[in-house]
Amino acid sequence: KAGVTQTPRYLIKTRGQQVTLSCSPISGHRSVSWYQQTPGQGLQFLFEYFSETQRNKGNFPGRFSGRQFSNSRSEMNVSTLELGDSALYLCASSLEPQGGTQYFGPGTRLLVL
Amino acid sequence: GIQVEQSPPDLILQEGANSTLRCNFSDSVNNLQWFHQNPWGQLINLFYIPSGTKQNGRLSATTVATERYSLLYISSSQTTDSGVYFCAGGGTNAGKSTFGDGTTLTVKP
Repeated sequence: KAGVTQTPRYLIKTRGQQVTLSCSPISGHRSVSWYQQTPGQGLQFLFEYFSETQRNKGNFPGRFSGRQFSNSRSEMNVSTLELGDSALYLCASSLEPQGGTQYFGPGTRLLVL
Repeated sequence: GIQVEQSPPDLILQEGANSTLRCNFSDSVNNLQWFHQNPWGQLINLFYIPSGTKQNGRLSATTVATERYSLLYISSSQTTDSGVYFCAGGGTNAGKSTFGDGTTLTVKP
């Protein structure tokens, strides 16, 4: 089985722009979670989707949003980018949200200038 | 929310040495996982271990759920074991995991 894929792998944006990141889970996995990793804050939970519904959301401003499609692929969007949004954005998939192993993608490195 | 504390924060070993990494949780967790993050940022799942003991080659893990801690053992360490090790846990929802700050392991040849 192919692993979790994320596109793009690297991205450079300027302040005020918006960005969309994509995540394709492992085939058959219906739960997708997003995390932000920064040197200062570590790994922080952004949101989780299951069957096209957002089940949980972390403590992030409304500029961060996401969605999941019927094929379980997920996108996250960050509007009005700030310098502090520079981070590694990681996506994880699992079979079900209630438990089990999470498999992470390679991440998208976002640099905001 | 759940707080996750990992120790030690940094660990430097000579190749061939053994090590133990610890993860403490502030509250009960139903889902506990250990990950290894390689230098390119990829998080590799090592164990899904809400309780009990598991072994995979030179790595093993033990979780004592009643006492809210988990241990990761690395035996006969190799330079390729270097990287950051994270534990993560949550309630009934594994999709919303709280991560510790990680243990940075450096294995010297």
